[in-house]
Amino acid sequence: QVQLVQSGAEVKKPGASVRVSCKASGYTFRSYNINWVRQAAGQGLEWMAWMNPGSGNTGYAQKFQGRVSVTWNTSISTAYMDLSSLRSDDTAVYYCAKGWYPDYWGQGTLVTVSS
Amino acid sequence: DIQMTQSPSTLSASVGDRVTISCRASHAINTWLAWYQQKPGKAPKLLIYSASNLESGVPSRFSGSGSGTEFTLSISSLQPDDFATYYCHQYDTYPLTFGQGTKLEIK
Repeated sequence: QVQLVQSGAEVKKPGASVRVSCKASGYTFRSYNINWVRQAAGQGLEWMAWMNPGSGNTGYAQKFQGRVSVTWNTSISTAYMDLSSLRSDDTAVYYCAKGWYPDYWGQGTLVTVSS
Repeated sequence: DIQMTQSPSTLSASVGDRVTISCRASHAINTWLAWYQQKPGKAPKLLIYSASNLESGVPSRFSGSGSGTEFTLSISSLQPDDFATYYCHQYDTYPLTFGQGTKLEIK
């Protein structure tokens, strides 16, 4: 069965960087996009970036340009999302999600930014 | 960017009711629209894709319709498990965008 398993919760100080990993199983990793979406407490869903391990293409929301980077390691079917220059308003749950329209989601990774 | 506007923001209903949630796109998106259900502390769950296609395993009381800029999600007979927040999502154009959500509450 398809699973996306994300790394654990992180606590970071303002200005720091964070890496969230997303290990995929149950499907051919190279064949589907992975999207990254975040959700602040009590708020809606905010799309951040996409990646296609097969084509090598990526794309980012304008809001995060220059601060976010998505990469992957096909040999271990794992995607990564790096977010730099963290601010308090980056505190949120970060999700990876498979597919052009996401059909499977990771469990979410809480990133807390606090001094 | 394509803005997605859902209405209502909050909906109060009873078990057994039929409810409809609307979603309007700021630009035409053909039928590149999905609906998700989210419960507190959980990841979103895909219900509908391509505006009207029911995801495998989703109960048939859920249905979607629309094209272009106007879309609806209907639940024919509310069950206790259906009380949650619902989001529409356009995947026609990057950046992908979501509606602000509709919270379905028990009356």
